[in-house]
Amino acid sequence: DQQVKQNSPSLSVQEGRISILNCDYTNSMFDYFLWYKKYPAEGPTFLISISSIKDKNEDGRFTVFLNKSAKHLSLHIVPSQPGDSAVYFCAANNAGKSTFGDGTTLTVKP
Amino acid sequence: DAGVTQSPTHLIKTRGQQVTLRCSPKSGHDTVSWYQQALGQGPQFIFQYYEEEERQRGNFPDRFSGHQFPNYSSELNVNALLLGDSALYLCASSLGSRGGTEAFFGQGTRLTVV
Repeated sequence: DQQVKQNSPSLSVQEGRISILNCDYTNSMFDYFLWYKKYPAEGPTFLISISSIKDKNEDGRFTVFLNKSAKHLSLHIVPSQPGDSAVYFCAANNAGKSTFGDGTTLTVKP
Repeated sequence: DAGVTQSPTHLIKTRGQQVTLRCSPKSGHDTVSWYQQALGQGPQFIFQYYEEEERQRGNFPDRFSGHQFPNYSSELNVNALLLGDSALYLCASSLGSRGGTEAFFGQGTRLTVV
């Protein structure tokens, strides 16, 4: 039973356009959601987060949206840059325990 | 600031052996979590240590055990290794055990069981 799902294993976007990465979850006890970015041979790096009491958080080119009724969150990257090419993981926290999705590989083409 | 450091970076063990992986958290962090990441999957939570105690545990057998030292560094021990234990083992540090803050990850230890 996978509690956090990223249904798109890969996404390809043109440089300058918007990248939208999606994540669905099933456990309504999750109270904090995070996005991590991972380059090959490195550990995941924190990108942006959102508390369950909010529906949007923005940080520069990155915005996370949370729809609690749909148990869905998304990460928007605008504009996308070639350096954004990486694997993106969605994670959900409950009492300090993080549950990760399987990741979406984003490729931004110049 | 050295960030989260893990050792060793790569390790090859034989089935049935035991292994110990090490993690030093980011300066100022008091909580260490361990994850197992199989190829093509996301990190799977093994357990979390805070104040030298195991606070949370994921769905892993008792062959997986850990320890946190007074300086907040941590070890992950795996006994009776199975071929299926081959994976990338990630350590993450954070401040406080209740969550709500981002975790900082090390580069991982690649364990291969043959």
